[in-house]
Amino acid sequence: AQTVTQSQPEMSVQEAETVTLSCTYDTSESNYYLFWYKQPPSRQMILVIRQEAYKQQNATENRFSVNFQKAAKSFSLKISDSQLGDTAMYFCAWAGGTSYGKLTFGQGTILTVHP
Amino acid sequence: EAQVTQNPRYLITVTGKKLTVTCSQNMNHEYMSWYRQDPGLGLRQIYYSMNVEVTDKGDVPEGYKVSRKEKRNFPLILESPSPNQTSLYFCASTYSPGRISSTDTQYFGPGTRLTVL
Repeated sequence: AQTVTQSQPEMSVQEAETVTLSCTYDTSESNYYLFWYKQPPSRQMILVIRQEAYKQQNATENRFSVNFQKAAKSFSLKISDSQLGDTAMYFCAWAGGTSYGKLTFGQGTILTVHP
Repeated sequence: EAQVTQNPRYLITVTGKKLTVTCSQNMNHEYMSWYRQDPGLGLRQIYYSMNVEVTDKGDVPEGYKVSRKEKRNFPLILESPSPNQTSLYFCASTYSPGRISSTDTQYFGPGTRLTVL
């Protein structure tokens, strides 16, 4: 079974600075996808970024980028120029194998951006 | 607008009183699922459905039932709720369960906060 681990329950950062959230996963599958979801206080689940395992290049979306280390099974999220609106719970998730419909989530990291 | 809707958004009930949380999507998605979110555990899949009349257990199915009589609807049923089912519940849908293309993604409902006293 796949597992996803986020070892940082809480993180904080000053506005305009950079922060990195960690995620490790375990799988024996060769084809899979990794995701970072943002959950603001509204509780809505918002997809931040997606990485396809077969792609060497790290995904980027504006201020959000990932460091995907396939051999180490590591998938960290870097948020540059942090903004107050980035304050949220962040979940790392995995999908692949026989059903890409199922997401396996990590425990979550609460990120607080301070002014 | 493409969306997944859930009702109710908040529910407080008592142990043993049957309840249903509805979920509906307007995107003609084949795959629908229910997750529960608990502190320190993230989101865990309860049940999923790959198409009409096809449902199967996820990782934490005990105490729950589902049905998929129509493609757009996937209700979650708690026949005899207990306090350990107090949680935040999400319905989600996606087009293709077999493969995620570069354009496919999961759509989540807004969540239902359930408290069982």
